Formats: sequence, C-alpha cells, structure tokens
Amino acid sequence: GENVEQHPSTLSVQEGDSAVIKCTYSDSASNYFPWYKQELGKRPQLIIDIRSNVGEKKDQRIAVTLNKTAKHFSLHITETQPEDSAVYFCAARFNKFYFGSGTKLNVKP
Amino acid sequence: DARVTQTPRHKVTEMGQEVTMRCQPILGHNTVFWYRQTMMQGLELLAYFRNRAPLDDSGMPKDRFSAEMPDATLATLKIQPSEPRDSAVYFCASLPQHGGMNTEAFFGQGTRLTVV
Repeated sequence: GENVEQHPSTLSVQEGDSAVIKCTYSDSASNYFPWYKQELGKRPQLIIDIRSNVGEKKDQRIAVTLNKTAKHFSLHITETQPEDSAVYFCAARFNKFYFGSGTKLNVKP
Repeated sequence: DARVTQTPRHKVTEMGQEVTMRCQPILGHNTVFWYRQTMMQGLELLAYFRNRAPLDDSGMPKDRFSAEMPDATLATLKIQPSEPRDSAVYFCASLPQHGGMNTEAFFGQGTRLTVV
C-alpha cells in the first residue's frame, strides 16, 4: 500500500513568517493530494488540494506544489497568523486516503 | 450544511466491554472510511467501504474489531472486547458518489473513546 511521510513533526514560526511542510509518497498511482487542517478537538478539514496533472496551486496565503517524478509535495503558508496554529496533515489517494503523521504548527504572536 | 455525523461523541467504558460507534455519511456519499487517531500514530486507516461493500479492512485488528454498513445511511465500527490500547479518537469520513477519484473526504466530529 501507500506510505506517506511528513516532515517536520513540529514547526514553530513567528507571526508573519512563512511555513513549509513537506510530504513524500511511495505509490506512483496516487493522483490526488489534499491537505487537511485540524484544530484542537475538532475534525480535520480540507484547506487545499492538488491533482496529479497540476504542479502548483495557490489559494490566498496557502500554496501547494507537487513533483510527481520525485513523489513529493509541499504546503506553503505565507504571512502566518496565530489562527494558523493547528495540526496539518497531508494525504495521498488512489483509492484510499493515506495520511502523513501530521505537523503541529505553532505561530507565535 | 451537510455533515458527517458520528455518535457518540465521547465514550468511556471498562476493559472487556463492547463498544459500538456509529457514522451517518453525507446523503448521497457512497464511500466511507474509518480512521483511528492517536498521538503516536496520526490518522490510521482502519476500514474502507464503497456502496456498502467492505473493500479493505486490512488496517483493523480482526480479532476484536468489526465494521459494517447495514444500510447506505449508517456505518458502524464495533470493538469487542475493548482494551485500554483502543483508547483513541475514531473518525469516519465520506466521499460523494460521483466525485470520481479526485475528491475531498469529509470528516465527522469523531468519537473519543476511553477504555479504562
């Protein structure tokens, strides 16, 4: 099956700085790569996704890049704000969703 | 606002007892996943259904866990007998019927299970 690795496990940045989270996957058949944000005690919610025919996607302060050859994709958050503090999960999907182990992002005011 | 609904939200039970967790997928969604979340393991896939048929439950301990979809509006995850190591948050997620391969999974609020 698919194996998704995510780094770093924790990330602390100053408000206004950028944050980058990286994931790698093993199954070349995976063709959909969502990113979820999970606030404490809440459900994971989609923040951005990218499909295998696209190399980059941007939505305001959030962007995702995908390198299918190298089998890695990254989440970029610019101008971070305290409300960005949460756990972020990457995932890769062909049939099933396989999730990375999560990155706890702390944005310090 | 359509949502995946899970019950109960919290469950405390004694070791050895049976636990049943329920999930109501979003109406029209035909694909359902069960995940277990612990601090150490992140989101661990337990089972996967499409059109009520179990397609993969290889992530589930077979001796004590079982998952079913008695109808299109209900998925269940049962643990019998429960053990303290089963303590975790269990999430259900569903996908729309015509979403194809590249579709967001919608998560329920989760059931926080504590086995003492």
